Amino acid sequence: DTAVSQTPKYLVTQMGNDKSIKCEQNLGHDTMYWYKQDSKKFLKIMFSYNNKELIINETVPNRFSPKSPDKAHLNLHINSLELGDSAVYFCASSQGGEGTQYFGPGTRLTVL
Amino acid sequence: AQRVTQPEKLLSVFKGAPVELKCNYSYSGSPELFWYVQYSRQRLQLLLRHISRESIKGFTADLNKGETSFHLKKPFAQEEDSAMYYCALKSGSGNTGKLIFGQGTTLQVKP
Repeated sequence: DTAVSQTPKYLVTQMGNDKSIKCEQNLGHDTMYWYKQDSKKFLKIMFSYNNKELIINETVPNRFSPKSPDKAHLNLHINSLELGDSAVYFCASSQGGEGTQYFGPGTRLTVL
Repeated sequence: AQRVTQPEKLLSVFKGAPVELKCNYSYSGSPELFWYVQYSRQRLQLLLRHISRESIKGFTADLNKGETSFHLKKPFAQEEDSAMYYCALKSGSGNTGKLIFGQGTTLQVKP
């Protein structure tokens, strides 16, 4: 299947822990994104990468560190998790910074 | 400031009724607008974009620069249209492009 995939689908963890979410796309796109969807369903961009290079960092706390080992993968590592980090995190990809983006299924992070 | 506003959090209609989901934007340049849809337990997916001027699943949206609007319309709603709808504005150019989303509108189509 050609798609954007994320793992894990659900993540439940304690405050203060460190966790990672992985994203992979096999669409041949050169740009990948992380979005956060909060409890009110508001969707906001966090980061974008183009060919492994960080392009957009939307004033996200530096506890969040994206890493792109290659243009098909974009992982998100979060240190010292806080209650406010609870949200659904979506990965997406596109060709260039196109507005037509393909989204992953989301990772629901719950911080207790 | 670049902004997308969807004034209705929830829109509830009966099957067969017309639907209009409102979207207004604020952007200094030439806007590129999209509607994305998220069905229950599914991923967000593109519904349509204004440059294509297409109709998808019976939905259309016209860009009105004078009113800075990009409302989504369908003449006869179906139950399977029930979903969360996001209006989005592409900001930036080239590799710096990003989507700015509205707050989303939940469309509920009742039988």
